[in-house]
Amino acid sequence: EAGVTQFPSHSVIEKGQTVTLRCDPISGHDNLYWYRRVMGKEIKFLLHFVKESKQDESGMPNNRFLAERTGGTYSTLKVQPAELEDSGVYFCASSPDPPSYGYTFGSGTRLTVV
Amino acid sequence: QKEVEQNSGPLSVPEGAIASLNCTYSDRGSQSFFWYRQYSGKSPELIMSIYSNGDKEDGRFTAQLNKASQYVSLLIRDSQPSDSATYLCAVLNTGGFKTIFGAGTRLFVKA
Repeated sequence: EAGVTQFPSHSVIEKGQTVTLRCDPISGHDNLYWYRRVMGKEIKFLLHFVKESKQDESGMPNNRFLAERTGGTYSTLKVQPAELEDSGVYFCASSPDPPSYGYTFGSGTRLTVV
Repeated sequence: QKEVEQNSGPLSVPEGAIASLNCTYSDRGSQSFFWYRQYSGKSPELIMSIYSNGDKEDGRFTAQLNKASQYVSLLIRDSQPSDSATYLCAVLNTGGFKTIFGAGTRLFVKA
């Protein structure tokens, strides 16, 4: 079974630019999550999709972040405009129902805003 | 108070010893608990899940849960240098849809 795929693996952008991260979950996993880890801090929840619907977006830092999940398959996370504090590693994870079995993580996208 | 607390370490143990990693959590309604292992520069990998009070063993790993004390631990027996990584404690919240992660404990196993 293919794992969770994220790309790009690395992105360096200038402050004020736009970046779009993509995540392809494991086929059949209804639950898709975005997390972020900034340097030295714990992995922080951003949001959770169940199929194409946003179940919980309480962790989204502000309205510069927009997540979508097309047709309940892949998901994108857009940051527009990017700020320096957005730098970090963005992880996507997916799980089947129920989510109590734990997640499978993608390899992450390391975003650097300069 | 953090929702999931772990000692950041580093915890250093000699090869062959038992490594003991601890975690406390604040959400009394949580029912699902996990340990993830994260190698440097890699993504977290699920290694153990536990749902009931007591011990759960899987190979060299034993997870322990005490809901009354809101405490989760992971024991690694016969530690190997390849076990050197950051271990993340994670708790599924009461609503059952959001997993909260601790900051992780760095483990070094010395050959």
